[in-house]
Amino acid sequence: DGGITQSPKYLFRKEGQNVTLSCEQNLNHDAMYWYRQDPGQGLRLIYYSQIVNDFQKGDIAEGYSVSREKKESFPLTVTSAQKNPTAFYLCASSIATGGHTEAFFGQGTRLTVV
Amino acid sequence: GESVGLHLPTLSVQEGDNSIINCAYSNSASDYFIWYKQESGKGPQFIIDIRSNMDKRQGQRVTVLLNKTVKHLSLQIAATQPGDSAVYFCADYGITSGTYKYIFGTGTRLKVLA
Repeated sequence: DGGITQSPKYLFRKEGQNVTLSCEQNLNHDAMYWYRQDPGQGLRLIYYSQIVNDFQKGDIAEGYSVSREKKESFPLTVTSAQKNPTAFYLCASSIATGGHTEAFFGQGTRLTVV
Repeated sequence: GESVGLHLPTLSVQEGDNSIINCAYSNSASDYFIWYKQESGKGPQFIIDIRSNMDKRQGQRVTVLLNKTVKHLSLQIAATQPGDSAVYFCADYGITSGTYKYIFGTGTRLKVLA
């Protein structure tokens, strides 16, 4: 089945640690996105990538980093510089930016700082 | 459990009644609009979309209405069922600061009463 897969579903991070969230899609989509979801707020864009080997900062990129070495993969690293990382993280993909099609979402990763 | 939507506005409807969920957007340049459904602990699922050259689009049990004059979008669900209980949010898509972006609303929790 085509889709977008995030792992792990739950992740616990100690203070000062970096952690990496995985996102893989087999939809042959060019564009991929990372969003953060907090209670009572809309999805906020962290980073996005329109094509392999290219990515741009979103609205809340500080404390996060990404890479896009393969079309199907867009991992997100939450660094120790992110002061409030506890949230639900959603990865999405779409055919292309400017394509006016829906974004497809993964099932999310819940990150908790312990 | 999943805390997304903890402080969201809630719409409670009786099973079998129709539901109307509203959304306002602010970007005049947005020309594509999407409704998503998000169940607890899961990623958002696409429900229906509409382009700016339309003011109404119907799907199975769902209708989206677009009023560009007042930048308002609504989702109507006919004969609401218990399985419709979820958080619903809209997204608009268009040029923002020179880049195509999805902008997501904060969401409305729909509770279906038996």
